[in-house]
Amino acid sequence: SQTIHQWPATLVQPVGSPLSLECTVEGTSNPNLYWYRQAAGRGLQLLFYSIGIDQISSEVPQNLSASRPQDRQFILSSKKLLLSDSGFYLCAWSVMVSEQYFGPGTRLTVT
Amino acid sequence: AQKITQTQPGMFVQEKEAVTLDCTYDTSDPSYGLFWYKQPSSGEMIFLIYQGSYDQQNATEGRYSLNFQKARKSANLVISASQLGDSAMYFCAMREGRDSGGSNYKLTFGKGTLLTVNP
Repeated sequence: SQTIHQWPATLVQPVGSPLSLECTVEGTSNPNLYWYRQAAGRGLQLLFYSIGIDQISSEVPQNLSASRPQDRQFILSSKKLLLSDSGFYLCAWSVMVSEQYFGPGTRLTVT
Repeated sequence: AQKITQTQPGMFVQEKEAVTLDCTYDTSDPSYGLFWYKQPSSGEMIFLIYQGSYDQQNATEGRYSLNFQKARKSANLVISASQLGDSAMYFCAMREGRDSGGSNYKLTFGKGTLLTVNP
């Protein structure tokens, strides 16, 4: 069966510091991968999605970037965090246009 | 205009009763999919049920069913025989058929409904 992992689970970082969140999927090949952000009490906002290695689309222009170094690994990064980057970050995977399955999430607080 | 509207910020239901969570959507694409997710306090998003725009019958998954009314552009989630563990945020989401790049993989989410099941 398929499993999706995210780490770290929680993170507290000062403004201006770098960020690296990691997501890995097990049990499937060539998944579509997604990064979402959820602000407190809000719905999900799609940040990036990838339909293959070296195929990453950005949905929201901001100081975040995404990379996919391996087929089942998706990384969300920032060179300098802003206060507004605080939130709950969720990674998800899907096969083609099927339903998306989400990881446990990373709760990021920028201080 | 919002593509997904969930008008109920919060809902309360007694244990063992049925509850309907509302969702309306806006799209001009004839091909689309509608999804419901549950988010407990732990934060993980759990996929519940899917309805395709061309599906003739309403989707069902155990105690979950989707009341799909295409002409009204509504896709309400019905939970039968509510359980205490059903207390959570519920999100409706839509995937529209295609974007300029081909197949559309993106989901648009509503703002959610917080369901509380009372004993």
